[in-house]
Amino acid sequence: DVKVTQSSRYLVKRTGEKVFLECVQDMDHENMFWYRQDPGLGLRLIYFSYDVKMKEKGDIPEGYSVSREKKERFSLILESASTNQTSMYLCASSLGTGAMNTEAFFGQGTRLTVV
Amino acid sequence: SQQGEEDPQALSIQEGENATMNCSYKTSINNLQWYRQNSGRGLVHLILIRSNEREKHSGRLRVTLDTSKKSSSLLITASRAADTASYFCATVRMDSSYKLIFGSGTRLLVRP
Repeated sequence: DVKVTQSSRYLVKRTGEKVFLECVQDMDHENMFWYRQDPGLGLRLIYFSYDVKMKEKGDIPEGYSVSREKKERFSLILESASTNQTSMYLCASSLGTGAMNTEAFFGQGTRLTVV
Repeated sequence: SQQGEEDPQALSIQEGENATMNCSYKTSINNLQWYRQNSGRGLVHLILIRSNEREKHSGRLRVTLDTSKKSSSLLITASRAADTASYFCATVRMDSSYKLIFGSGTRLLVRP
């Protein structure tokens, strides 16, 4: 069974902390995504990676960075957490660029609260 | 910016009725996908329709795509209380990025 695992379901962090959100997939997918979800705004793409060490900015990359050192792991980093980064964060993966017409698989989400 | 916009934002129907949700998008696409999200959980893929397809069925789901109007619709027939969820459309743009961009979603409530 395919699986995307996010390291935490709930996190509470303090303003100014450096925060790491981890995502691991076991499907050998090339593409991995980080989204944030806020009420009324749907899912907004933060960063996208199409291969190891490759990344592209999404629509809202400010205040975030990512790391993809291994194919199965995609980390989202909040360099200095702020209260406006309180949100639900969703990780997803899908097959690579040679297979555009494929579905994405999602993790269960991490609800981050910055206080 | 959001690629897809769903309409309506919220929909409440009686069990057994059909539910129709619409999605509009802005740029040329490779394919359009529909996802479902139960409250506070991750998204689950429902159906994918390619840009050269006009209609697709999967069980009680029917999806249409009109590329000239840049719009899609999702029809759930004979709805059940268990269909209560948020539904999102997502598009893969016709460029080299293969990014998957979501709309803002439709919240569906099916009353028993």
